[in-house]
Order: sequence, then C-alpha cells, then structure tokens
Amino acid sequence: SAVISQKPSRDICQRGTSLTIQCQVDSQVTMMFWYRQQPGQSLTLIATANQGSEATYESGFVIDKFPISRPNLTFSTLTVSNMSPEDSSIYLCSARQGGPTEAFFGQGTRLTVV
Amino acid sequence: AQSVAQPEDQVNVAEGNPLTVKCTYSVSGNPYLFWYVQYPNRGLQFLLKYITGDNLVKGSYGFEAEFNKSQTSFHLKKPSALVSDSALYFCAVRPPNSGGYQKVTFGTGTKLQVIP
Repeated sequence: SAVISQKPSRDICQRGTSLTIQCQVDSQVTMMFWYRQQPGQSLTLIATANQGSEATYESGFVIDKFPISRPNLTFSTLTVSNMSPEDSSIYLCSARQGGPTEAFFGQGTRLTVV
Repeated sequence: AQSVAQPEDQVNVAEGNPLTVKCTYSVSGNPYLFWYVQYPNRGLQFLLKYITGDNLVKGSYGFEAEFNKSQTSFHLKKPSALVSDSALYFCAVRPPNSGGYQKVTFGTGTKLQVIP
C-alpha cells in the first residue's frame, strides 16, 4: 500500500486568490488523480496528473482554473485559481499503480472561500 | 458508459447484528469492483476488491462482499456490526485495463450508522 500526505489539510481563502495543494506519495506510483468532494457526498474526478506532460481534465474542469503539475512519480500539485465561494469543497489526491489495483487517498484538503 | 448505484443513502443497524450495504453497477465487460470507507474528515480507505475468481471476497476489518454477475451487484457485508464501523461507504467500478487509462466511477455513498 502507499501512504499519501496531502497539505494543507484545510484553509480559508479570500475570493480571487489561488491556493496550491500538495500531494506526496511515499513510493513511486503509475497514476495520480485529483478529486473534489462535497462533505458527505460522492467524488468527482477533476483530472489525471500525468508525469512529464499536461494533465488530462474531465468535462467541466479546465487547466486555467485547476492547473496541475506532476514533476515526478511521487509528487503532484493542484492549484485552485481565482477562487470563488463555489470552489469551497474538499479536494482529494489519489494514486494507484497500473493494472487491477486499488487506489489510495490523501486525507483531503478542506477549502473554504470567503 | 459505466455507472454505480448505491440505493440507500443511510443504513441503520444495531451493534452485533449483520449489516449489508448495497451496490449495483453497469459496465461493459468484466469489471473491477471496489469498496472504500471514509471516516469524518479523512480520505477514503480501501476495504476490498473483486478482480476475478471467487465471487466472495474478504477484506479489512471483517468486511466481505459478494460479486453477483447475473444481478450486477457487489453488496458489502459484515456478520456482526461494531459501533466503530459507523462511516460513509463508497462502492466503485472500473472497466478492466485494456492497456489504457480506465476511469473509476464512485457511487453516491451510503452512511452506515451502527446503534449501540
């Protein structure tokens, strides 16, 4: 199994600013993902973080709003840009190897935009 | 398109009684199926998975799940519930890896409340 450290664990931000969330995995992983979750609700995939190339975004999410980096096989960042109150949510980092493997998750970043 | 349904928003069960959390899915081919648990203010934790083979799979904390292909179901079960099992449970499905990236689809989640 992999251990994922995500930080910050929570933040309160002013609208119009940006926040960068970091995700560190304790071992090399094939795939890394970023999800958004409203408390008590399901997960929505934002994008797949690709090592050495641009992230693959899901419908409704764009690079200008959610730029993602993945410089190596153990680390990724998600930036929430030009924030509005609608961006208030929990952001989760996830990682897994290829093949029929399960995913592992960070503890999440609870973001509140005021 | 693949989908997962968790028909119950909440399941209440008395401590010591058996519990079942339901999950049905729709996907082409033979799916990979997963159960995750989420405690308050935490990320998701993996419980168990079905890939192939025996339809009954056993996982962490005494949980098990039965894959039923004809009913396209993957219900989570535990013979005797503990108060500490109270949490949010997610079923997830992924098509088999055919060489490329395959997206995981999560259900809407079921809140399990175990009553002392």
